[in-house]
Amino acid sequence: KAGVTQTPRYLIKTRGQQVTLSCSPISGHRSVSWYQQTPGQGLQFLFEYFSETQRNKGNFPGRFSGRQFSNSRSEMNVSTLELGDSALYLCASSDPGLANGEQFFGPGTRLTVL
Amino acid sequence: LAKTTQPISMDSYEGQEVNITCSHNNIATNDYITWYQQFPSQGPRFIIQGYKTKVTNEVASLFIPADRKSSTLSLPRVSLSDTAVYYCLVGEAAGNKLTFGGGTRVLVKP
Repeated sequence: KAGVTQTPRYLIKTRGQQVTLSCSPISGHRSVSWYQQTPGQGLQFLFEYFSETQRNKGNFPGRFSGRQFSNSRSEMNVSTLELGDSALYLCASSDPGLANGEQFFGPGTRLTVL
Repeated sequence: LAKTTQPISMDSYEGQEVNITCSHNNIATNDYITWYQQFPSQGPRFIIQGYKTKVTNEVASLFIPADRKSSTLSLPRVSLSDTAVYYCLVGEAAGNKLTFGGGTRVLVKP
């Protein structure tokens, strides 16, 4: 099976702009989670979607939003970008049938806000 | 989710065994211990998960004492390619809201 794919891999934006990142999970996986990774805060959970519904949410402002489509692909959107939003954004998918809850991460999208 | 504490960094040499201990004093009865590995500019990768005693797979072993307040990830005979950050996580086995701590940066030297 193909792994989790994320597009684009790199992105440069300026403050105030908005950005949309895309994630395609492993075929058959219906849960998609998003994480932000920065040198200062480490890996932080953003939100999780399952069957097109947000099931869990981390402690991020409303500027961060997401959605999931019927084919399990997911997008996350960040509006009114701030310098501090510069980070590696990781998407992970999982198969609810796996007892250990293993999450499979994509390579990430490196967002730079200037 | 239970907070975890692990060393910030560890150095080792090729062929040696690396043991990383993680403290999780407030682990709950239904919590599992899971370890992920992350290489630079890549997403984390699941290594191993356990609840008690010892778990072993083709990559690592996980030792969990009876009180479950700590756990040790053991990497046998490391190679240069094992240089990575290793994260200890505690929570529900199938939880999809992973809480990562600071991780342990392992550097394997020739």
